Amino acid sequence: QKEVEQNSGPLSVPEGAIASLNCTYSDRVSQSFFWYRQYSGKSPELIMSIYSNGDKEDGRFTAQLNKASQYVSLLIRDSQPSDSATYLCAVFMNTGFQKLVFGTGTRLLVSP
Amino acid sequence: DARVTQTPRHKVTEMGQEVTMRCQPILGHNTVFWYRQTMMQGLELLAYFRNRAPLDDSGMPKDRFSAEMPDATLATLKIQPSEPRDSAVYFCASGLALRGASYNEQFFGPGTRLTVL
Repeated sequence: QKEVEQNSGPLSVPEGAIASLNCTYSDRVSQSFFWYRQYSGKSPELIMSIYSNGDKEDGRFTAQLNKASQYVSLLIRDSQPSDSATYLCAVFMNTGFQKLVFGTGTRLLVSP
Repeated sequence: DARVTQTPRHKVTEMGQEVTMRCQPILGHNTVFWYRQTMMQGLELLAYFRNRAPLDDSGMPKDRFSAEMPDATLATLKIQPSEPRDSAVYFCASGLALRGASYNEQFFGPGTRLTVL
């Protein structure tokens, strides 16, 4: 089992719709979770962090965390073509050398 | 404008040559990370430093790669000798690790795109 798993996509949604991106992780004691957005040819950009169970909202983005199910998701409301990018889920692993482990990313395509 | 800087942005070299990549972390950050990204493998952690001390370099091929942090404002990643399979984008990231906290946000530099012919 991979430490952090994401569906590679692409996930296609029409402009104005809600995009839902999902991620599961293996380390039960992880406490810190992050979503990064990466445009083609660019570096990953931190867009959301979440540390507690439940929802965290920031503008059009909502991160959801369920530690019991080892599941974290990112919702993008009113999706825009400019949201088209790869979204990387990252989990801070507390086992061994503590480090941030990234999923392989989900490619999101928002069509006008 | 606090951000991580990396040089060079692009590097084309021939197999067997030495490659040195440099990173300046965000001022005040005490952790520095080197990642490699390829289409096949995604984002892989190569090495990381906390307070300039290397903590984990298990992701790095030891025979040809080396990472150092000569001072708080400079981290280097060297490949000697380089091979075609080293072609990738190399990212540096920095963060602030506080004792007892587990926030660990990391901020990425623009990357060095390396091509080894």
